[in-house]
Amino acid sequence: ILNVEQSPQSLHVQEGDSTNFTCSFPSSNFYALHWYRWETAKSPEALFVMTLNGDEKKKGRISATLNTKEGYSYLYIKGSQPEDSATYLCAFYPNTGNQFYFGTGTSLTVIP
Amino acid sequence: NAGVTQTPKFRVLKTGQSMTLLCAQDMNHEYMYWYRQDPGMGLRLIHYSVGEGTTAKGEVPDGYNVSRLKKQNFLLGLESAAPSQTSVYFCASSYLSGTNTDTQYFGPGTRLTVL
Repeated sequence: ILNVEQSPQSLHVQEGDSTNFTCSFPSSNFYALHWYRWETAKSPEALFVMTLNGDEKKKGRISATLNTKEGYSYLYIKGSQPEDSATYLCAFYPNTGNQFYFGTGTSLTVIP
Repeated sequence: NAGVTQTPKFRVLKTGQSMTLLCAQDMNHEYMYWYRQDPGMGLRLIHYSVGEGTTAKGEVPDGYNVSRLKKQNFLLGLESAAPSQTSVYFCASSYLSGTNTDTQYFGPGTRLTVL
């Protein structure tokens, strides 16, 4: 069982604020990291797939970076909107196995 | 194109009863997965399948069985339900291995309560 940690556990921000949160994973056996967005009462939806150290991915106001040497990925949201309210999950895939290991997620609430 | 569907959406069982959860995907994906999601914990893999007729154990397989008789369907069975199996169950699928560029597509979940 691999330890994938996300911080903070929850976050409340005002509309228009920018925010970021972290996914930490074992750096020694990295293969891939996925970010998902999970709205209440819906299914997780893929945001980014990250595979190379130094990767930066962007989708609209949301972006992510990856540091495989130190074992973390940041997710940034610029100018948060109420529709950004969701839980953001990261999933780590090691090069020694055949499954993803999910973090517990960061729950984001954007207050209008 | 329905994506990944799960039936039923909700179910209440008594301890010792059995049931089967059905996952279906219409995207011609090779890989399919069953996860459970419990409060304060991340999604945990129960079983997965890398293709029709094959299954493998994940992180928390005890108390569950699976079958993949058809490529588009992945069944999760509970032979004798226990209260510890109260959870929300998610099915997912991916085109190939789900490792590099293949993201997983999730179903809507099944909320199971075992009394």
